[in-house]
Amino acid sequence: DSGVTQTPKHLITATGQRVTLRCSPRSGDLSVYWYQQSLDQGLQFLIQYYNGEERAKGNILERFSAQQFPDLHSELNLSSLELGDSALYFCASSASGTDNNEQFFGPGTRLTVL
Amino acid sequence: ILNVEQSPQSLHVQEGDSTNFTCSFPSSNFYALHWYRWETAKSPEALFVMTLNGDEKKKGRISATLNTKEGYSYLYIKGSQPEDSATYLCAFGNFNKFYFGSGTKLNVKP
Repeated sequence: DSGVTQTPKHLITATGQRVTLRCSPRSGDLSVYWYQQSLDQGLQFLIQYYNGEERAKGNILERFSAQQFPDLHSELNLSSLELGDSALYFCASSASGTDNNEQFFGPGTRLTVL
Repeated sequence: ILNVEQSPQSLHVQEGDSTNFTCSFPSSNFYALHWYRWETAKSPEALFVMTLNGDEKKKGRISATLNTKEGYSYLYIKGSQPEDSATYLCAFGNFNKFYFGSGTKLNVKP
């Protein structure tokens, strides 16, 4: 158990809908990362937050947005969902959010868009 | 988008064999290289974070080396055990963005 929690574990929804994925970092970690693992692709970095502020952005679609709240939990919002958004979404946390910080991954949320 | 490549894609070894795999990454603007172990139906688990050229890190039977000048890192497993069966991922950290390789899937037969 990494100490990072993600809810829900599974989510099934329809195209065009909007969903919110939630992540709570390990106690004491200030930084949260979001990653997407699609069937035919490796892990893709989406976005990083540090202490409530966006720090780095990867290949995140405009239909996706995220935020980190004062209690340091983070939410990833996915809207106007398409079939291709079906994937495993991981959240990870680290202490200070620098490149050389070890990251701890949560169990993931599996999103299925029908 | 930075290219991170891992080879081989998959590897089948017998219990007790030693094995190694490669992660190649851009040699310019290097900040950090992460290795992860990812078992089926679980989430990636950090093995090493490497930052300095010539770094060597060890955890039990697993070790890793880093060459930032030529842009590669090796992961070694000595005396592979069935419980080492997993996908081994590397990730290149650059200005707080992370670029993952596609992984090397290791299968250790008893």
